[in-house]
Amino acid sequence: NLMLTQPPSVSGSPGETISISCTRYSASSYVQWYQQRPGTSPITVIYESNQRPSGVPDRFSGSIDFSSNSAYLTISGLTTDDEADYYCQSFDSNIEGFVFGSGTKVTVL
Amino acid sequence: EVQLVESGGGLVQPGGSLRLSCAASGITSSGYWIHWVRQAPGKGLVWVSRIYSDGGSESYVDAVKGRFAISRDNAKNTVYLQMNSLRVEDTALYYCASHPTTLLWRWGQGTLVTVSS
Repeated sequence: NLMLTQPPSVSGSPGETISISCTRYSASSYVQWYQQRPGTSPITVIYESNQRPSGVPDRFSGSIDFSSNSAYLTISGLTTDDEADYYCQSFDSNIEGFVFGSGTKVTVL
Repeated sequence: EVQLVESGGGLVQPGGSLRLSCAASGITSSGYWIHWVRQAPGKGLVWVSRIYSDGGSESYVDAVKGRFAISRDNAKNTVYLQMNSLRVEDTALYYCASHPTTLLWRWGQGTLVTVSS
């Protein structure tokens, strides 16, 4: 079955750009990214690999590297408001359901 | 605006049952999916189950197959998750989430299920 691997943590200083990887995703499926701040429900920051919902700042972007079977969430102009856990997610046709990555904690130094 | 409100969580003994509800409003697309996703304390997100708006398609993660059943009442715009033979490891915050034909998921606030003796 599909397994999505994320780094446990990523950190950066205010104003910097960081990227979170999500590896071993299936090239035949889209990737979604969710932000979850402590004590709150997840919210979608990227869907269908690179689409940004209205209301999500354009500092958030999604991309795919087909050569490495990896998806990326990039956050530019990092702010303290971006401190949260981030999860990637994709569809697994073997289970007819979705799989989440293990999550990445973003810390703004 | 899509709103999802979960209810039905609580404390139950191992082997017991609970039925969670997810009341949906503001969904304008004719076809849409409703999912249940759980998050154990301090842990990550785990997809549990999904059902389509016509009730014709449903699927489950292996860990709950044979114990959980998802259903919907379109007249009440509500999806249910019947959870039987509950185990300690089912303890989690259970979210419902929805998306139309696109994969833009909207999430509820969650309902807490605690399985303990």
